[in-house]
Amino acid sequence: ETGVTQTPRHLVMGMTNKKSLKCEQHLGHNAMYWYKQSAKKPLELMFVYSLEERVENNSVPSRFSPECPNSSHLFLHLHTLQPEDSALYLCASSQEPGPAGEQFFGPGTRLTVL
Amino acid sequence: RKEVEQDPGPFNVPEGATVAFNCTYSNSASQSFFWYRQDCRKEPKLLMSVYSSGNEDGRFTAQLNRASQYISLLIRDSKLSDSATYLCVVTSDSNYQLIWGAGTKLIIKP
Repeated sequence: ETGVTQTPRHLVMGMTNKKSLKCEQHLGHNAMYWYKQSAKKPLELMFVYSLEERVENNSVPSRFSPECPNSSHLFLHLHTLQPEDSALYLCASSQEPGPAGEQFFGPGTRLTVL
Repeated sequence: RKEVEQDPGPFNVPEGATVAFNCTYSNSASQSFFWYRQDCRKEPKLLMSVYSSGNEDGRFTAQLNRASQYISLLIRDSKLSDSATYLCVVTSDSNYQLIWGAGTKLIIKP
């Protein structure tokens, strides 16, 4: 595997379900990010991790819970989501945390909440 | 006012033509600027950074106008493969955050 991988690629869940999104980066980077992309809207930064420590949390509802067990893996745990949470969830990594470096994205998980 | 504004398009352009689009940003303290490209149903990928003096990468030229707070992207001799959504990205006051535009959709027609 190369680059940034995400699983699953597609997810359909009910509002009462609990699911997790997984991201893995094979680039040796120190920072990882979760973004939400809704149709025709800008990417919204959700969480930033630097060396496994959360450094940014952009007022994301508590029904989204991130976990970073090591610098290569990032999870997004989902529970009691709302239909408006349906979107493309993108994971990204960069060499160092901070906005100046290139961010490398995974292919995303397309989430549908029924 | 949105932090980063882009014309959503679509721009329909014949193959071989030159096309340009702008992006305006609201934070005068922004220091770094980028163009990312996102193909349909794919992830964003960095196209190029935008430097103060302007920069060119093959058929692509990026310019920054700090006084008017906009950046531009010019594509010469457009190819069918240039069809994509182009995302304008600028840095925020935060140490970790990029501010993304919603993108300009470009369609190159044969």
